Amino acid sequence: DTGVSQNPRHKITKRGQNVTFRCDPISEHNRLYWYRQTLGQGPEFLTYFQNEAQLEKSRLLSDRFSAERPKGSFSTLEIQRTEQGDSAMYLCASSHTSANYNEQFFGPGTRLTVL
Amino acid sequence: AQSVTQPDIHITVSEGASLELRCNYSYGATPYLFWYVQSPGQGLQLLLKYFSGDTLVQGIKGFEAEFKRSQSSFNLRKPSVHWSDAAEYFCAVGLPGYALNFGKGTSLLVTP
Repeated sequence: DTGVSQNPRHKITKRGQNVTFRCDPISEHNRLYWYRQTLGQGPEFLTYFQNEAQLEKSRLLSDRFSAERPKGSFSTLEIQRTEQGDSAMYLCASSHTSANYNEQFFGPGTRLTVL
Repeated sequence: AQSVTQPDIHITVSEGASLELRCNYSYGATPYLFWYVQSPGQGLQLLLKYFSGDTLVQGIKGFEAEFKRSQSSFNLRKPSVHWSDAAEYFCAVGLPGYALNFGKGTSLLVTP
């Protein structure tokens, strides 16, 4: 499968615990995006990378959230001291700057439940 | 402020009937426009996109959308709905290289 993959697909954790999600983009894509989707809402932008550089962060990305893309390939999103309000689907997408448009390909998401 | 509005939260149509899902946007410049579909527990699948040129664009699964600059709209249509089209539909807009701005989605229910 050459699409965007995300692991784990589901994560249940207790409030206060730290969690980390991984995204593997399409191999030749240099841009990687993280979105959060809560129930009944559309995806909301969190942050994005071009290669290993984090170019933009949303106001939604509190200090408890950190994202990395150390070698410009896969990315991780860590949430520290999780809160119940962090329960959501976390979506990753990738695209390539050589394309003269902004078509993003999405992974299946990681569903986080904070108890 | 930039925004994307999908006025209909839920839509119910009979199988075989036509469908139109509305999307309006507010942006400083004409953005790129997308429609995505999401089935329960699944990721987002791109149905179609508009960047420039012909304002009527064809997508997968028999969907089409029409860009109307004067109305800042990008409505999605399908002439005959199938039961498998039941899903959540999201309109998204964005500028090249930037994150997408999504609407809140329209949930489509298809009745026999």
